[in-house]
Amino acid sequence: DTEVTQTPKHLVMGMTNKKSLKCEQHMGHRAMYWYKQKAKKPPELMFVYSYEKLSINESVPSRFSPECPNSSLLNLHLHALQPEDSALYLCASSQGQQGNQPQHFGDGTRLSIL
Amino acid sequence: AQKITQTQPGMFVQEKEAVTLDCTYDTSDPSYGLFWYKQPSSGEMIFLIYQGSYDQQNATEGRYSLNFQKARKSANLVISASQLGDSAMYFCAMILYGNNRLAFGKGNQVVVIP
Repeated sequence: DTEVTQTPKHLVMGMTNKKSLKCEQHMGHRAMYWYKQKAKKPPELMFVYSYEKLSINESVPSRFSPECPNSSLLNLHLHALQPEDSALYLCASSQGQQGNQPQHFGDGTRLSIL
Repeated sequence: AQKITQTQPGMFVQEKEAVTLDCTYDTSDPSYGLFWYKQPSSGEMIFLIYQGSYDQQNATEGRYSLNFQKARKSANLVISASQLGDSAMYFCAMILYGNNRLAFGKGNQVVVIP
């Protein structure tokens, strides 16, 4: 079992739906991340939150909206997604931004857009 | 920006044998961290081992060891005594200290056969 919990594990939605992905960690980590991973490709960074503030947005389309309600929770709000957004979405956390601490990942949410 | 290269094709490994996965990187920054992650077909990204650019000794974690050759900019992962459960995709990743962008290589697929 991972210490980063993501829900739901699977999500199928239409292009007009609004849904949210959730991520929770209780390791006291102060940095949290969203990644997108297509099949047989490495993860691609989307967003970084540090001390509950958005510190990196890798030019992600506005149909993806991140939110960090507190230091343990990270959400990704989805609206008007496209079929090419179908992917595995991974959440991760780390102690800080020093770079010498590993990022710990959740099991991911497999998202399919119809 | 940092760049990670993993060029080996998919590998078949006999159970109980050792396997070496190659990783080279490119950066002009002297301060960085190198990571290896394992991703089984189920999707979770599992942290295996970390090596800092200033570490004098090669990192080891159980059956995993990292062969760090700084001058050659390589950080190969060695898995000793392969087990069936080691079948997975393995990603080499790098972060520059103070920069929260974890850059992944393309990955190495490993299949352990009995």
